[in-house]
Amino acid sequence: DAKTTQPPSMDCAEGRAANLPCNHSTISGNEYVYWYRQIHSQGPQYIIHGLKNNETNEMASLIITEDRKSSTLILPHATLRDTAVYYCIVAQGGSEKLVFGKGTKLTVNP
Amino acid sequence: DVKVTQSSRYLVKRTGEKVFLECVQDMDHENMFWYRQDPGLGLRLIYFSYDVKMKEKGDIPEGYSVSREKKERFSLILESASTNQTSMYLCASSSPGTGLYNEQFFGPGTRLTVL
Repeated sequence: DAKTTQPPSMDCAEGRAANLPCNHSTISGNEYVYWYRQIHSQGPQYIIHGLKNNETNEMASLIITEDRKSSTLILPHATLRDTAVYYCIVAQGGSEKLVFGKGTKLTVNP
Repeated sequence: DVKVTQSSRYLVKRTGEKVFLECVQDMDHENMFWYRQDPGLGLRLIYFSYDVKMKEKGDIPEGYSVSREKKERFSLILESASTNQTSMYLCASSSPGTGLYNEQFFGPGTRLTVL
């Protein structure tokens, strides 16, 4: 079973920031938070991961709360191409297995 | 560019047929995975392999088997296809050499319909 809870769907206006929440209240000390997304008719794609500190790359930012029980993926300027299902996954670093939950379907509207 | 390819995008088979789904990666990755994806259920892991000739059951292995004779190729076998195996099948690969990075690279998927 997935160790994360995400809202089933969200909407965002094009050009605005999309903030996708994820709860992982049972996360343990050696587990990382990973984010993937799946655009329609494609396989999932890695976005970002983090342990404690906030992380940023060319695609997104990841904000993890101090108690590590929740996190937020931020797409700073959402475009129509960011419409996808976003998966938040908790797993041990270097673990072969990732458990994908149902994710959040983000719709970016013009 | 990193690449995971799957033998077919769409496949239609009849109940009872033996079905082979092939996956090839060109990244020299040790780990390979097979998932199925169904509406409302998300991605579920069927089998994975962390080395040639090695395999581990995932969460839903019943009705499936796998074969990994070469590092770059991982096959999913449906010995006797049934209608409840109609689904999208996704293959992925990763390398433990990336340590904590843990990124899995996915193929485009095969949509299998069993009639």
